[in-house]
Amino acid sequence: SQKIEQNSEALNIQEGKTATLTCNYTNYSPAYLQWYRQDPGRGPVFLLLIRENEKEKRKERLKVTFDTTLKQSLFHITASQPADSATYLCALNTGGFKTIFGAGTRLFVKA
Amino acid sequence: DAGVIQSPRHEVTEMGQEVTLRCKPISGHNSLFWYRQTMMRGLELLIYFNNNVPIDDSGMPEDRFSAKMPNASFSTLKIQPSEPRDSAVYFCASSPRQDSNQPQHFGDGTRLSIL
Repeated sequence: SQKIEQNSEALNIQEGKTATLTCNYTNYSPAYLQWYRQDPGRGPVFLLLIRENEKEKRKERLKVTFDTTLKQSLFHITASQPADSATYLCALNTGGFKTIFGAGTRLFVKA
Repeated sequence: DAGVIQSPRHEVTEMGQEVTLRCKPISGHNSLFWYRQTMMRGLELLIYFNNNVPIDDSGMPEDRFSAKMPNASFSTLKIQPSEPRDSAVYFCASSPRQDSNQPQHFGDGTRLSIL
């Protein structure tokens, strides 16, 4: 079955630097891959969606890449700020209408 | 615009009791999802509905769990009888239509503790 692997270790970076988070999947390439942000005590919030025929997607300081050969998506936050500190979840469809989520990577941005 | 609304936000009860979690999706959204989140297993899909009809309940852990969607603006997830291992945060999410490329809009969850 399809599995998602995200780095379980927290990522600590300095304010102003670029944060890069990794999402790897194990089996077939999904048609779509999504990234969500989750703050403590809150539900996940949708950030970006990238399709399998798209190499890169941008939204303000966010950039997502999708490499179906490597079975990997990278999520970048440029000019990071302490307010970007959160857990970031990768999600993909498994066929049909189901979406599965990775465990998430916690990001800490230090001022 | 109101987002997905879940109630209660917190529930503490003793094992064996019936627990009912409630969800109001975003108006106009046709798909509704129930998830459970724990540290060990992350975010797991329990069941999803499209146009009020359950489409896939393969994620429901066992017969103690049941979900209903009597109309487009309300859904419940019921656990009877509850057990300590059911302790988790339960999220409801909705999306505009039954399509895997649609972002899901989550409520803020119900934190359930079974003693």
